[in-house]
Amino acid sequence: DAMVIQNPRYQVTQFGKPVTLSCSQTLNHNVMYWYQQKSSQAPKLLFHYYDKDFNNEADTPDNFQSRRPNTSFCFLDIRSPGLGDAAMYLCATSRDREDYEQYFGPGTRLTVT
Amino acid sequence: AQKITQTQPGMFVQEKEAVTLDCTYDTSDPSYGLFWYKQPSSGEMIFLIYQGSYDQQNATEGRYSLNFQKARKSANLVISASQLGDSAMYFCAMREPPYFGNEKLTFGTGTRLTIIP
Repeated sequence: DAMVIQNPRYQVTQFGKPVTLSCSQTLNHNVMYWYQQKSSQAPKLLFHYYDKDFNNEADTPDNFQSRRPNTSFCFLDIRSPGLGDAAMYLCATSRDREDYEQYFGPGTRLTVT
Repeated sequence: AQKITQTQPGMFVQEKEAVTLDCTYDTSDPSYGLFWYKQPSSGEMIFLIYQGSYDQQNATEGRYSLNFQKARKSANLVISASQLGDSAMYFCAMREPPYFGNEKLTFGTGTRLTIIP
């Protein structure tokens, strides 16, 4: 009955090697978010999609990109991961802009070697 | 300026006791939403409770209640009869009106709660 699914749960990549994290949802929600959470810190929003409209946070590095090919799926691409990009990446959804509640996936823990 | 403040980095509580986790917030908008999330060591963020700024009564969900004091801009989480499974990181978060460009949750720095048998 998982509603927001993230694959893989654990990802190891090499310094500078592109990596893609995926998120899917069965809720048919319009809005999908990507958060980065570094160790012992609060989650920080990277960007979000409202339907197909992409909204980037001002301080999100250019190294991070996202794709949303359809309502159900959203991808986070890290073009050239650095050691500082090691973190938990959380995907979340909300029904619409007017809906306050966000539903989180289990997260993908990224390690950069 | 920090919008969500959680002043307790860590707490240790005896099993079966009640615990209060503090959260204060800052906003100039009269319409906002306050959330508490639980994050176990496995990493997923689990929604616990929500309080809207116009809600007249404090929110409750099972053993969780939110002590909402609007004038003090405080939204403390109360867990009654704590259990070992309550050991986790707890985040307070706020969402301001969802007009374009402001759809994000702002999180506090979290409180790590440890329940002692």
